[in-house]
Amino acid sequence: NAGVTQTPKFRVLKTGQSMTLLCAQDMNHEYMYWYRQDPGMGLRLIHYSVGEGTTAKGEVPDGYNVSRLKKQNFLLGLESAAPSQTSVYFCASTGTGNTGELFFGEGSRLTVL
Amino acid sequence: GQNIDQPTEMTATEGAIVQINCTYQTSGFNGLFWYQQHAGEAPTFLSYNVLDGLEEKGRFSSFLSRSKGYSYLLLKELQMKDSASYLCAVTRGGDSWGKLQFGAGTQVVVTP
Repeated sequence: NAGVTQTPKFRVLKTGQSMTLLCAQDMNHEYMYWYRQDPGMGLRLIHYSVGEGTTAKGEVPDGYNVSRLKKQNFLLGLESAAPSQTSVYFCASTGTGNTGELFFGEGSRLTVL
Repeated sequence: GQNIDQPTEMTATEGAIVQINCTYQTSGFNGLFWYQQHAGEAPTFLSYNVLDGLEEKGRFSSFLSRSKGYSYLLLKELQMKDSASYLCAVTRGGDSWGKLQFGAGTQVVVTP
């Protein structure tokens, strides 16, 4: 029962470094999302995908890129990390029959120094 | 745009009842979710309301009034394990099912 798996769980970066967060789901879901969560703020949508090979911008896309080359994987990239990107990142997925219920990964805590 | 408001924190005693209110102002509203999030963990689904009225699920109930832009989550017979953050979120539906707009969350503290 893997569900949604995120790697890595923790990462510390220096300003300007790049990295990629990987999200994998084994539920054959069409839709996948990347959210960030910051203290005192609600989860905010970064990018999302409605199917393999498609991506779209969410509420706070600047500084991030994504790719969905395979249906089960959704990658979030930071090309040049900034301290403002220090956050907890959650990947989520859902299918067409789930009335929108999101299944979340355990989160990836990123610190940018 | 969408604006979602919920209280920051609530404290209640074990065995009591707590009601968490959520108000929203949104265009293209299609439904409202409640999620529970324990510290350091992922949010987990509690309820989904699309029609007006009360949905009951065990100790948890959720209410929606679309005309008033208002929802509440009712937690009965509180247990220590209910100490968590409760997130209100709205969706526009369609291809936007998972594009949720979240409130900042209400931290519920259950005391002995």
